[in-house]
Amino acid sequence: KAGVTQTPRYLIKTRGQQVTLSCSPISGHRSVSWYQQTPGQGLQFLFEYFSETQRNKGNFPGRFSGRQFSNSRSEMNVSTLELGDSALYLCASSFGSTGELFFGEGSRLTVL
Amino acid sequence: KQEVTQIPAALSVPEGENLVLNCSFTDSAIYNLQWFRQDPGKGLTSLLLIQSSQREQTSGRLNASLDKSSGRSTLYIAASQPGDSATYLCAVRVLGQGGSEKLVFGKGTKLTVNP
Repeated sequence: KAGVTQTPRYLIKTRGQQVTLSCSPISGHRSVSWYQQTPGQGLQFLFEYFSETQRNKGNFPGRFSGRQFSNSRSEMNVSTLELGDSALYLCASSFGSTGELFFGEGSRLTVL
Repeated sequence: KQEVTQIPAALSVPEGENLVLNCSFTDSAIYNLQWFRQDPGKGLTSLLLIQSSQREQTSGRLNASLDKSSGRSTLYIAASQPGDSATYLCAVRVLGQGGSEKLVFGKGTKLTVNP
């Protein structure tokens, strides 16, 4: 059974650009959540989607957005990139709302 | 606001030692608690999930306990090996904004097992 797949694994952008990250959950999982990991702040919750609906959102500015498709794949977008957006972005999927979370390898974003 | 604390931030032990990692949380209203390990530059690997109604879970050399009333969880690693070297994170599932759940993570304990 394939795990959670995130693409791209690494990317470099410049300030002001935008970026889109993709996440394919484990087959059968309908919940997808996104986290940002930085050395200073640790892991912080961005948002969660279930059946194409955003159910929960963390304390991030509106530049961070996401969506989920009918096949449960999810994308997150960051517009007008800032240096502080450099981080490892992790996606996780679960079968139900309180089920065990399984994470992908992450997308490492560097903003120059 | 739920806060999760992991102490110590780093731990170095000789191979073969039994060790305990600690996790504390400020609000006992949790759905479950999950322990993860993270290798450098990698994603998180789920180790153990304890539902709020459970007291402990075991998997191989790992045993995790949960005491909701005191806001504590421990991860016990028996007979540690160099391959156990990683950062260990605990996370609690809580009710977030919008009425659905989210995970709140601790900052992790970086474990080094020396041969």
